[in-house]
Amino acid sequence: DGGITQSPKYLFRKEGQNVTLSCEQNLNHDAMYWYRQDPGQGLRLIYYSQIVNDFQKGDIAEGYSVSREKKESFPLTVTSAQKNPTAFYLCASSIFVGNTEAFFGQGTRLTVV
Amino acid sequence: GESVGLHLPTLSVQEGDNSIINCAYSNSASDYFIWYKQESGKGPQFIIDIRSNMDKRQGQRVTVLLNKTVKHLSLQIAATQPGDSAVYFCAEKVTGGGNKLTFGTGTQLKVEL
Repeated sequence: DGGITQSPKYLFRKEGQNVTLSCEQNLNHDAMYWYRQDPGQGLRLIYYSQIVNDFQKGDIAEGYSVSREKKESFPLTVTSAQKNPTAFYLCASSIFVGNTEAFFGQGTRLTVV
Repeated sequence: GESVGLHLPTLSVQEGDNSIINCAYSNSASDYFIWYKQESGKGPQFIIDIRSNMDKRQGQRVTVLLNKTVKHLSLQIAATQPGDSAVYFCAEKVTGGGNKLTFGTGTQLKVEL
């Protein structure tokens, strides 16, 4: 089945540690995105990538880093510099950047303890 | 998007009734408007989009209306079913503005049996 997979579903991190969230897609999409969702709020864009080896900052990139070494993969690292990392993180992909139909993963809920 | 805190606007409807979910947007340069549905614990799912040069578009059991004069977007769901219970987000896109999607804060739809 084609789709977009995020892992793990739940993640706990101690303060001061970096953590990497996985996102893989087999839809052959060029564009991939990371969003952050906080309770009662919409989705805020962290980073996006138009193509392999390219990525751009979104609206709330501070404290996060990404890489796009393969078309299928777009991992997100939440660094210790992110002041409030507890949130629900969503990865998405689309055929190209700006396509209105984005396909989302199931999300990773990160909790800092 | 503008934060509404921890509590989303909620719309409660009876099963079988029609639902109307509203969204106000701010950017008059947006050229596409999109509706997404997010069920509890899952990622958002594309429902329908509308280009800014249209004022109405219909899909399966859904209709999107766009009023550019007052910058208002609505999603109408006919014969609402329990499976329609979810949070609904509107999003907008400005071509050339990074082609990113900007999401609103969402509306919780509750279908009562």
